[in-house]
Amino acid sequence: QQQVKQSPQSLIVQKGGISIINCAYENTAFDYFPWYQQFPGKGPALLIAIRPDVSEKKEGRFTISFNKSAKQFSLHIMDSQPGDSATYFCAATSGGSYIPTFGRGTSLIVHP
Amino acid sequence: EAGVTQSPTHLIKTRGQQATLRCSPISGHTSVYWYQQALGLGLQFLLWYDEGEERNRGNFPPRFSGRQFPNYSSELNVNALELEDSALYLCASSIQGIEQFFGPGTRLTVL
Repeated sequence: QQQVKQSPQSLIVQKGGISIINCAYENTAFDYFPWYQQFPGKGPALLIAIRPDVSEKKEGRFTISFNKSAKQFSLHIMDSQPGDSATYFCAATSGGSYIPTFGRGTSLIVHP
Repeated sequence: EAGVTQSPTHLIKTRGQQATLRCSPISGHTSVYWYQQALGLGLQFLLWYDEGEERNRGNFPPRFSGRQFPNYSSELNVNALELEDSALYLCASSIQGIEQFFGPGTRLTVL
């Protein structure tokens, strides 16, 4: 049973465009939603995270939008750059667990 | 500050053999987590060690085991290797917090 569903599996965007990756979850106990960025040959690195008491969080060109009623959250990358080409994972954690449930990842390619 | 380190980078084994993977956490981090990243399946949680004790275990068979040493480094052992065990194995560390810092992984190939 996949508790965090991520889409799309792959995404191709032109430089300067907006990249949007969506995730949906089932467990209403989840209360922390991080996004990880993974470059080839590297481990995932925390990019940005949100808690359900806010609907949006922005850090530079990266924004998380959160819809608690729909149990969905998304990552928006504004002004996408070739250096953003990587695999992105959404995840969700319930209080005290410390063990994230990960989505299956989105491979993003930004063309120059 | 040095990040999480893992060794070896690559490991090739044959079916039925045993594999041992090693992880050194960030200095001061007491928790170590192991994940399996198989192609197209995202990260699957394997094991969590904290202060030398196994705190949680994912949905994997008992042939996946490990331990944490007094210096907080950790070892993952996979016995009776199967072809499906081929994957990238990631180690992460934290100070009992939600934010985990990942190492570069060990690529295990089972032939």
